Amino acid sequence: DAKTTQPTSMDCAEGRAANLPCNHSTISGNEYVYWYRQIHSQGPQYIIHGLKNNETNEMASLIITEDRKSSTLILPHATLRDTAVYYCIVRVNFGNEKLTFGTGTRLTIIP
Amino acid sequence: GAVVSQHPSRVICKSGTSVKIECRSLDFQATTMFWYRQFPKQSLMLMATSNEGSKATYEQGVEKDKFLINHASLTLSTLTVTSAHPEDSSFYICSAGNGRINSPLHFGNGTRLTVT
Repeated sequence: DAKTTQPTSMDCAEGRAANLPCNHSTISGNEYVYWYRQIHSQGPQYIIHGLKNNETNEMASLIITEDRKSSTLILPHATLRDTAVYYCIVRVNFGNEKLTFGTGTRLTIIP
Repeated sequence: GAVVSQHPSRVICKSGTSVKIECRSLDFQATTMFWYRQFPKQSLMLMATSNEGSKATYEQGVEKDKFLINHASLTLSTLTVTSAHPEDSSFYICSAGNGRINSPLHFGNGTRLTVT
């Protein structure tokens, strides 16, 4: 799986949009971009994934650049409960492929 | 949907004893489950891939005789930490997917193992 690069930490004010960047410049054509988050002492929670089109669900939006070398996860109205470590992972999309975690971004929502 | 249950959530055991951790897919069948380990302030590290009906595949550096994995059904995989030592104290997390294309993996809530 291609490696990803994320900032170590970020802060965001409560109620504002949180924009988390991820670089994946060596992504292959058959690899998707996945985002998970891990709240302290819990298992990772799936957020969203995409191939090349922008995606939106009830949790977040995913914006992937046209060259697919980077992406941004957007939490539109951050709350204190969004404080977590966010992991950007690229993965081939066969159903039983593993996820390889990097160091992620520690997002802190400030009241 | 796509719920993965892990049990127990916490366990404390004495050095030299064995501990079994269960991972269940509650609303789907999982031919493959993954076991991860996470030390404090570190990321998740894949330990092994658990395949239903066959032997698990271990990552480099993970002792298969120490971390026994059994995946006897499509909804249950177990990880047994044998002859546990204090250095095995960690957060163990399982993951599973339904095997379908374009389907994400889901994670259990982890097991905090403390070996005294």
